[in-house]
Amino acid sequence: EVQLVESGGGLVQPGGSLRLSCAASGFTFSSSWMSWVRQAPGKGLEWVAKINQDESEVKYVDSVKGRFTISRDNAENSLYLQMNSLRAEDTAVYYCASFPLYYFAYWGQGTLVTVSS
Amino acid sequence: SYVLTQPPSVSVAPGQTARITCGGSDIGSKSVHWYQQKPGQAPVLVVYDDNDRPSGIPERFSGSNSGNTATLTISRVEAGDEADFYCQVWDHNSDHVVFGGGTKLTVL
Repeated sequence: EVQLVESGGGLVQPGGSLRLSCAASGFTFSSSWMSWVRQAPGKGLEWVAKINQDESEVKYVDSVKGRFTISRDNAENSLYLQMNSLRAEDTAVYYCASFPLYYFAYWGQGTLVTVSS
Repeated sequence: SYVLTQPPSVSVAPGQTARITCGGSDIGSKSVHWYQQKPGQAPVLVVYDDNDRPSGIPERFSGSNSGNTATLTISRVEAGDEADFYCQVWDHNSDHVVFGGGTKLTVL
């Protein structure tokens, strides 16, 4: 059974940093593209970033470019999202998802990030 | 940037057929994927590559894609189908993933 479990969310002040983690199991993580998707409260889905198997290809939505960094540790079957210079508009549930062929096959349960003073 | 347009809401009686559209410029030339999200839950892939279903998704869910409109069709709608539905494509020009704004399906 595929499992994706996010952690690391919480309350942070504007300008602060947070690191999200996603623990993967039940599939060959090291062979999979992975991605982060977020959803602001009461809003729709927004793709945030994606990364290929060996970290040689990464891509970000324009609104987080230069502030967020996606990375992975294949030995630990883990995906990460380092978020710096956080803004109120980054408040959202952040989902980790497998991204095999340009779609999101499996999703985690999400972790809530709240940016507020 | 590429834009996908969905109707905010669709209502249907139980047992009837629901059709949720997703509009985009020449979307027929792209692969469209659909997700169902129930309140408080993570999204679930229900259709990928226009009209393929992941294992475990009922045959009642199907998709089509042509011209400027893709459509998710749910046959014999049940109360348990009530959810938000999102379409999604990959825009090769920008190498970005794009979601539609979402459609709330209400079962009357």
